[in-house]
Amino acid sequence: GAVVSQHPSWVICKSGTSVKIECRSLDFQATTMFWYRQFPKQSLMLMATSNEGSKATYEQGVEKDKFLINHASLTLSTLTVTSAHPEDSSFYICSAKDIRLYGYTFGSGTRLTVV
Amino acid sequence: AQSVSQHNHHVILSEAASLELGCNYSYGGTVNLFWYVQYPGQHLQLLLKYFSGDPLVKGIKGFEAEFIKSKFSFNLRKPSVQWSDTAEYFCAVTFGGSGNTGKLIFGQGTTLQVKP
Repeated sequence: GAVVSQHPSWVICKSGTSVKIECRSLDFQATTMFWYRQFPKQSLMLMATSNEGSKATYEQGVEKDKFLINHASLTLSTLTVTSAHPEDSSFYICSAKDIRLYGYTFGSGTRLTVV
Repeated sequence: AQSVSQHNHHVILSEAASLELGCNYSYGGTVNLFWYVQYPGQHLQLLLKYFSGDPLVKGIKGFEAEFIKSKFSFNLRKPSVQWSDTAEYFCAVTFGGSGNTGKLIFGQGTTLQVKP
């Protein structure tokens, strides 16, 4: 079945530094990937849509300069949290759209803690 | 605006009880509907999905959902829950037809706690 690998699963960084999160589709090509943010006990909030070979589309209220998304290949999208602050601490989840199944496969998420 | 709403935020049931979780969306056009489950410490797993055809959809683990277009609803049901069904349940929707971006919008989620 479709598998999405997200790395790292958790990361702790200092305020002001940048963190990169990778999302890979392992056995299918994903022209479209999505990045979500999930706060404790809350739902998944869509941050942006990542399209291979083009700029990401950000949801309203999401700072594109803070959350840099790159989708350079059909199997890899990256989210870079730049100049991280404690309020950026959250659970980040990626999802890849599998056109074969018209479904969405989710990564296992990345727990980011900014200290 | 397009949105997804789950009415029950926290549900507590005893084993063998029946379950129904509500999900409504606001959009007058074509939708695709999904239910996902998130067990503690695990990633989201698809329970079932609806695109077209029979509005009663059967999924994994004994779950089913019914799409009622007139009510803009897609409620999740299970006749008899088990302790292992304790998890977070999310309804999700894509809005629009072939020209949409396919982005999946989630409801607020429902925490289900099943007591043994």
